[in-house]
Amino acid sequence: KQEVTQIPAALSVPEGENLVLNCSFTDSAIYNLQWFRQDPGKGLTSLLLIQSSQREQTSGRLNASLDKSSGRSTLYIAASQPGDSATYLCAVNKFSSGSARQLTFGSGTQLTVLP
Amino acid sequence: DTGVSQDPRHKITKRGQNVTFRCDPISEHNRLYWYRQTLGQGPEFLTYFQNEAQLEKSRLLSDRFSAERPKGSFSTLEIQRTEQGDSAMYLCASSLIPYEQYFGPGTRLTVT
Repeated sequence: KQEVTQIPAALSVPEGENLVLNCSFTDSAIYNLQWFRQDPGKGLTSLLLIQSSQREQTSGRLNASLDKSSGRSTLYIAASQPGDSATYLCAVNKFSSGSARQLTFGSGTQLTVLP
Repeated sequence: DTGVSQDPRHKITKRGQNVTFRCDPISEHNRLYWYRQTLGQGPEFLTYFQNEAQLEKSRLLSDRFSAERPKGSFSTLEIQRTEQGDSAMYLCASSLIPYEQYFGPGTRLTVT
């Protein structure tokens, strides 16, 4: 059974700092990995998707890396801003019977960026 | 707005009542997913449709839960005889083939 772990559970940083969020998964047979942002009481916003054949993806100040063999992904946020405060969730899409279906999520990292 | 929409956004019900939620996916997406999220946890998979066919169900989906996707368009999730443990955020997502999943705003259910 796929298990996804995110460390740390909570993180507080001053504005302008660069930071790294970590995600690990137990089964390397994945189709892709997505990073999401969730604001309190809201749905999920997709930030980046990395296919299993890719090593990293970038969008603006965000960079996500994937090391499938070691079961790890990181989300790097450059020059953090108070508006980045949210919970960040990592999810893996298992490769199953030739077609990926459900996402398995970690519990998230709650990020607070202090002005 | 062409994103995933869910209705209602909030539902308060008494224990034992039935509730039904609706999800409208992005129009060209043939895959639709339901997840449940409790406070402080990541979403957990409930069920998955490809077009109108329900292809996968989680063990979390007890016999009090039923989901449909008639004609492969919108989907409904019904919970019968609600229990306090059903209180959660119910999230719907859609995707085109096995690509990026896009989530709706969720329906927050409170069972009193």
